[in-house]
Amino acid sequence: DTEVTQTPKHLVMGMTNKKSLKCEQHMGHRAMYWYKQKAKKPPELMFVYSYEKLSINESVPSRFSPECPNSSLLNLHLHALQPEDSALYLCASSQASSGITGELFFGEGSRLTVL
Amino acid sequence: RKEVEQDPGPFNVPEGATVAFNCTYSNSASQSFFWYRQDCRKEPKLLMSVYSSGNEDGRFTAQLNRASQYISLLIRDSKLSDSATYLCVVTPGNQFYFGTGTSLTVIP
Repeated sequence: DTEVTQTPKHLVMGMTNKKSLKCEQHMGHRAMYWYKQKAKKPPELMFVYSYEKLSINESVPSRFSPECPNSSLLNLHLHALQPEDSALYLCASSQASSGITGELFFGEGSRLTVL
Repeated sequence: RKEVEQDPGPFNVPEGATVAFNCTYSNSASQSFFWYRQDCRKEPKLLMSVYSSGNEDGRFTAQLNRASQYISLLIRDSKLSDSATYLCVVTPGNQFYFGTGTSLTVIP
């Protein structure tokens, strides 16, 4: 069983809807990530939070808004999405320290369909 | 230039075969290296970390060549259950770079 929990597992939304994806980990990791994955493609980095501060934004459109309320939680707020945003959204966490970084732990993902 | 380049695949091999995947990386400052496995419609899961001295876990052997900047994964005695996509991952710090993934199908 994964130690990174994502909800919901499946989400269908219209282009005018506002929804949120949630992610939680209790491994004491201080780095958390959002990835987007389309079929037959590798995960594509969207955002990185390190010690609850946004450290990387890979030029993601503003219709995706990340939030890190505390060290265990990571949200992704969705608004005015497009059908091409339909994908598997993966949350991951890792130890955050200077020097060597541990592995990434992934949640099971939230499969998003935008109609 | 991509951070990580990976064998395109797909690889279709019979049961019992030995198969090898390679990845090259561009950032010489990269510090940690991993192989992940991803099953269809599932999340990636760590298969093994890759250490400088090379490491083995059962039928799987991972190697790192820092001078040539590549990592490899060898699977011996392939099983049907090895069918999946294998992703190499390289990190110079707190950002993980994924290869494009190589699809493996083991055929009965």
